Parts: sequence; structure tokens; C-alpha cells
Amino acid sequence: QKEVEQNSGPLSVPEGAIASLNCTYSDRGSQSFFWYRQYSGKSPELIMFIYSNGDKEDGRFTAQLNKASQYVSLLIRDSQPSDSATYLCAVESNTGKLIFGQGTTLQVKP
Amino acid sequence: EAQVTQNPRYLITVTGKKLTVTCSQNMNHEYMSWYRQDPGLGLRQIYYSMNVEVTDKGDVPEGYKVSRKEKRNFPLILESPSPNQTSLYFCASSLSGVLGGLNTEAFFGQGTRLTVV
Repeated sequence: QKEVEQNSGPLSVPEGAIASLNCTYSDRGSQSFFWYRQYSGKSPELIMFIYSNGDKEDGRFTAQLNKASQYVSLLIRDSQPSDSATYLCAVESNTGKLIFGQGTTLQVKP
Repeated sequence: EAQVTQNPRYLITVTGKKLTVTCSQNMNHEYMSWYRQDPGLGLRQIYYSMNVEVTDKGDVPEGYKVSRKEKRNFPLILESPSPNQTSLYFCASSLSGVLGGLNTEAFFGQGTRLTVV
């Protein structure tokens, strides 16, 4: 089992819809959880982090964390074509080690 | 402007020839790390540093060395590069590492595409 798992996709949604991206992790000692967005040929950029169970909202983005079930998700409301990118889930252990999932490719179609 | 600067951006080298990829950040970040990104394998952490003179192995440290003699710089050293180290490398920094919730700033460099022939 991979330490951090994501469905590679592509996930295709129409413009204006809600995109739901999921990530599961295996290390129960994990402390912090991150979502990065990476456009093709570019560097990853941090868009959300969460460390407490529940929801965290920032604009059109909502991160959801459930430590008991060991999953973290990212919801993108009112998806735009500019949201088309690869979304990387990353999990940080209590020693500072950061493990990334393989990423989910999101395609938002006009 | 807050940034992480990597050099060089592109490098083609031969097997066995020592090389260093530099990484510098101007944000006084404590945490710095190196990753490689390969198709189908995603981003994998090579080394990380939580502060000056403190470095730890990530998932794929074999064949790499790092040093953190000052807060702003975190060079990646390949003593004897091999073709399996051909990859896209990213340096990243953040305000702090583990302290859950304080890691609110995180920046990646523009990447270094390394080819070892």
C-alpha cells in the first residue's frame, strides 16, 4: 500500500460544477495535510493546508480532514477552466517528512 | 519578492561528474527540502532540513548529499551522478516544518531539469 494514495484521473467536470479530489494516507501519526496545485511545466504551489479534523474553507476551496478514516479531500466549487491542473496531496509526519501522492489531474471543460 | 531560487534550471552532465544544484530562499524560512519528480512516481522527498545544521533523509536520499550551513541556502550535491538520477528537481522552503498548522507559507523553486548521460 502506498503511503499517500490519490486517483490519478483525469477527473473531468463541467465549468461551474464542484470538483471533488480525494486522498488517503497510511501513517496514523501524520500531523499536517496539504494540497498543492501544479500546472503543466510549472512548480507546485500550496493552495490549502489542514491539520484539524473537519472542514477548512478558503474562497472556492474547501479541505476536509478525517483522521479516523485517514482521508483528506479537496472540494473546488464553481470550477473554472483555469482550475485545470494536477492536484497533489501531501502528508507530513511528526518528524517533518513530507510524502506526496501521485496527483490527480483535473480537467474543467467550458 | 519572496522566492526560492534554484540554479541551474537545466543541466546535462556525464556519469560520475560531481555536480551541485544550488537553492536559496529570501524569506527567512526554517524548513527547506529537496524533491525529485518523475513520471508515474510523483514528487519524492530526497532530504529536508528543519533548521541550520539539521538535515534528515527523505524517501530517496541514496546518491545525494545536502548541507545547511546557513538558513537561506540548501544545496543538493550529487557526488557521482548516474543516469537513474535524471529527473526534475525541486527545492522548497516553508516557514516551519512539523509544527502542525504553522506551515502556512510554502514555496517551490522553478525546478532544475537534470539529465545524466
